[in-house]
Amino acid sequence: DQQVKQNSPSLSVQEGRISILNCDYTNSMFDYFLWYKKYPAEGPTFLISISSIKDKNEDGRFTVFLNKSAKHLSLHIVPSQPGDSAVYFCAARAGGSQGNLIFGKGTKLSVKP
Amino acid sequence: NAGVMQNPRHLVRRRGQEARLRCSPVKGHSHVYWYRQLPEEGLKFMVYLQKENIIDESGMPKERFSAEFPKEGPSILRIQQVVRGDSAAYFCASSPPASWETQYFGPGTRLLVL
Repeated sequence: DQQVKQNSPSLSVQEGRISILNCDYTNSMFDYFLWYKKYPAEGPTFLISISSIKDKNEDGRFTVFLNKSAKHLSLHIVPSQPGDSAVYFCAARAGGSQGNLIFGKGTKLSVKP
Repeated sequence: NAGVMQNPRHLVRRRGQEARLRCSPVKGHSHVYWYRQLPEEGLKFMVYLQKENIIDESGMPKERFSAEFPKEGPSILRIQQVVRGDSAAYFCASSPPASWETQYFGPGTRLLVL
């Protein structure tokens, strides 16, 4: 039973355009959401996070939007750069847990020059 | 500024052997997490440890798997009597005290069971 779903295995975007990566979740007890970026043969790198009490968080080119009623969050990257090409994982924490994160399967983003 | 270190990076074992995976957290981090990633899957939480304590092992298989984080030295994930289904990438992450959301991941150990 997948509690965090990334339904698009891959996404291709032109350099300079916006990349939108989507994530859906089923557990209403999740209180914190994170996005990680992963290059091949490396560990995930933290990108940006959002608490369930907010609906938007922005950090430079990265913005995460949270729609609690739809149990949906998205990561926007503007403008996209070739160096952004990687696998992006959405992760969530259940309220009351002590830090174990539940990950989606990832979306592979390719930014073409 | 050394990040999380894991060794070995690649490990090959035959069925029935033992696998020991090591994780050295970022200096000053007292919390360690182990995750497993099967092919084409996301990372799955296994266990969360603080020095000399297992805090949450809800993701650990009931048999053959164990983890420790001693007072001195790295955290160890031990898999006894490995089977082919144990083949995966095992990632360790660490965080400072009271800052679980800032988990820094290591490069992972890729275990292949023949």
